[in-house]
Amino acid sequence: GENVEQHPSTLSVQEGDSAVIKCTYSDSASNYFPWYKQELGKGPQLIIDIRSNVGEKKDQRIAVTLNKTAKHFSLHITETQPEDSAVYFCAARMDSSYKLIFGSGTRLLVRP
Amino acid sequence: GAVVSQHPSWVICKSGTSVKIECRSLDFQATTMFWYRQFPKQSLMLMATSNEGSKATYEQGVEKDKFLINHASLTLSTLTVTSAHPEDSSFYICSASWVGQETQYFGPGTRLLVL
Repeated sequence: GENVEQHPSTLSVQEGDSAVIKCTYSDSASNYFPWYKQELGKGPQLIIDIRSNVGEKKDQRIAVTLNKTAKHFSLHITETQPEDSAVYFCAARMDSSYKLIFGSGTRLLVRP
Repeated sequence: GAVVSQHPSWVICKSGTSVKIECRSLDFQATTMFWYRQFPKQSLMLMATSNEGSKATYEQGVEKDKFLINHASLTLSTLTVTSAHPEDSSFYICSASWVGQETQYFGPGTRLLVL
């Protein structure tokens, strides 16, 4: 089955710097890749997603890139702010399955 | 749009009792709902998937007689933890989606503490 690996597990950056979180997936049939942000004690919130027919997608300070050949995708956050501090999860989904397979999460700390 | 609510947000119960958690889609019809469990500092673990009007599909290792799931309408799914024990203490999160939609929209979660 599908397996998603996520790195790093923790990331600390200075406010204003960029943060990059990387995920790799195992099944080339996966074609949908969402990113979720989870604040302490809350449910995950979708922040951006990308489909396999697109290489890059951007929404203000957040961007996601996808390399289908290498089977990896990354989340890029520019001009980080303290409110970006949270746990971020990547996930992968195949058309043939309704399930999302989640990465292990990255705890991002943005230092003021 | 695509708002999902859960009730209660937290619950404390005694060992051996049953607890029901509700998951509602507020502004869309959820043909499929998912139930996850999350332990501290860990990722989300899918417990089961339910389609409206059908029996839930449980993931391997999840006891269907212990975690009863009902999805009787397009806006409501319930998870009942029967005969709860301290090891069932966790953060339970539901998500919802609809036919043709890849994205899952998550509820705020329910924290369960079994004493």
